[in-house]
Amino acid sequence: DQQVKQNSPSLSVQEGRISILNCDYTNSMFDYFLWYKKYPAEGPTFLISISSIKDKNEDGRFTVFLNKSAKHLSLHIVPSQPGDSAVYFCAASWGLQGDSWGKLQFGAGTQVVVTP
Amino acid sequence: SQTIHQWPATLVQPVGSPLSLECTVEGTSNPNLYWYRQAAGRGLQLLFYSVGIGQISSEVPQNLSASRPQDRQFILSSKKLLLSDSGFYLCAWSPGHYRQETQYFGPGTRLLVL
Repeated sequence: DQQVKQNSPSLSVQEGRISILNCDYTNSMFDYFLWYKKYPAEGPTFLISISSIKDKNEDGRFTVFLNKSAKHLSLHIVPSQPGDSAVYFCAASWGLQGDSWGKLQFGAGTQVVVTP
Repeated sequence: SQTIHQWPATLVQPVGSPLSLECTVEGTSNPNLYWYRQAAGRGLQLLFYSVGIGQISSEVPQNLSASRPQDRQFILSSKKLLLSDSGFYLCAWSPGHYRQETQYFGPGTRLLVL
């Protein structure tokens, strides 16, 4: 059961423009959301996170928006740079104690290509 | 600062052979540790996680096992590899103190079973 979905497998954007990556989730218990960036043959690198008590978090060129009613979050990258070309994973967790504590559910990823 | 190491970086093994992948974390104590697998073109699947020495929880039934013999060491093993075990294996850690935590990943091990 895929609880975190990234429905766009790929995204192509021109350098300098905005990249918008989308992520949908089905489990209303999720209360912490993260975005990771991954280059081929490397481990994912943490980019930015947001708690469910917020609807926006910004860090430099990266902004994450959370719409809890729609169970949707998005990552905006402005401006896009060639080094941003990578696979981006959305992840979510819920903070119950016991078995669920700290575990992340990942989406399938979106391949971003930034063209000059 | 904290660092996480995995080895080997790449491994080619015949079907039926044993497997041992190692992960170590530096610069922290009593972290939560995780093993993930990424199959080609797929997302990350959680295989095992550990909240302390000797404490292992399995997420997916399979022919793999995990052990945590020391606080900052996490080992992924198999007695007999299958072709379907091929993939990119990632170890991750989180502080283990808070309800909402970021996980930090190692560089990964690419396993090819022939």
